[in-house]
Amino acid sequence: DTGVSQDPRHKITKRGQNVTFRCDPISEHNRLYWYRQTLGQGPEFLTYFQNEAQLEKSRLLSDRFSAERPKGSFSTLEIQRTEQGDSAMYLCASSSRDWTSGDPETQYFGPGTRLLVL
Amino acid sequence: SQQGEEDPQALSIQEGENATMNCSYKTSINNLQWYRQNSGRGLVHLILIRSNEREKHSGRLRVTLDTSKKSSSLLITASRAADTASYFCATVRDDKIIFGKGTRLHILP
Repeated sequence: DTGVSQDPRHKITKRGQNVTFRCDPISEHNRLYWYRQTLGQGPEFLTYFQNEAQLEKSRLLSDRFSAERPKGSFSTLEIQRTEQGDSAMYLCASSSRDWTSGDPETQYFGPGTRLLVL
Repeated sequence: SQQGEEDPQALSIQEGENATMNCSYKTSINNLQWYRQNSGRGLVHLILIRSNEREKHSGRLRVTLDTSKKSSSLLITASRAADTASYFCATVRDDKIIFGKGTRLHILP
């Protein structure tokens, strides 16, 4: 399977615990995005990487959130001291970059990690 | 913040009918993309239309873009039960991709 994969698919944790999610993008894609989606809403942008460089972070990404893409391949998203408001689906997507226009092209999404904070 | 706003929020139609959903946005864009999401799953890309294009087709899908009105529409012809899903538009500008809240489409048998 050469699609985007995410692990775990589901995570239940107690408030105050730390959690880490992993995303493996499509291998030839240089861009990797993290989104958060709550029920009835569209995905909200959190951050993205081009290769190993983190180029932008949303204001939604508080100090408790950190993302890495150490070798420009897989990425991790860590949430420290989880709060009930962090309960959501966390989506990862990868894409290539149109070198003519510079625009991000089609994004390929993983199945998501559903987080429930009790 | 979410720039794109889909209309209607929810739509129920009979199988075989056409479904039209609209997306309005606020700022200029480089391209606009439509995605489908089945319940509880990841998003699937449907079609991308660039700012210099006005219409694009892909199978039973037809997308239009009116940059003067800052709006786009997605038409699904001859709907099927499998088209039941949420549909999102995503606007792309300066490397930022912003999704709307989506239209929930339900195809009735």
